[in-house]
Amino acid sequence: AQSVTQLGSHVSVSEGALVLLRCNYSSSVPPYLFWYVQYPNQGLQLLLKYTTGATLVKGINGFEAEFKKSETSFHLTKPSAHMSDAAEYFCAVSPMDTGRRALTFGSGTRLQVQP
Amino acid sequence: ETGVTQTPRHLVMGMTNKKSLKCEQHLGHNAMYWYKQSAKKPLELMFVYSLEERVENNSVPSRFSPECPNSSHLFLHLHTLQPEDSALYLCASSQGTAIYEQYFGPGTRLTVT
Repeated sequence: AQSVTQLGSHVSVSEGALVLLRCNYSSSVPPYLFWYVQYPNQGLQLLLKYTTGATLVKGINGFEAEFKKSETSFHLTKPSAHMSDAAEYFCAVSPMDTGRRALTFGSGTRLQVQP
Repeated sequence: ETGVTQTPRHLVMGMTNKKSLKCEQHLGHNAMYWYKQSAKKPLELMFVYSLEERVENNSVPSRFSPECPNSSHLFLHLHTLQPEDSALYLCASSQGTAIYEQYFGPGTRLTVT
């Protein structure tokens, strides 16, 4: 079984400041990890994913995330926030075996960017 | 059309109505999903179809009835819904079995009155 915990349902940063969105997961098997972003009135869009190999993964729009197995974390960061980053962000986990296809999502973190 | 499309984008229905949500993927994928997104709750997986066969049904009430006539189309038939069924219904698709990267449609905002 998998679960995802996103710390902080709302995060507010100033434009140009560091963005840090936290995600911790629980999985009984090695996980695949994902970050998705949802803009208002739109579906979810994949930002980045970790499968195997390099633990620091880079995604679109300047975001990156680091898989830390010892901490069971996959936090999302961006060095400098832009107004267009305001959205809701979802962390998700999927088991690395082939038995179950679906993603388990966290509750989401709404990012506000202040001018 | 590209990606995953959903129609209608907005739907208001009474509890005694019957309606259907439609999803179409233009990505050549072989798996499709229905999710429910309610306010302040994580996305809930409802159904998974792989190669047009339902492979997962997460204890969804029978008033929701999915249909996958081919690998590009997915429907969600609705009847005698309850007000608590009001939510954003998202469709997604994916290809392959190794990495479950899913592509989402924009969703249908459903309001049950």
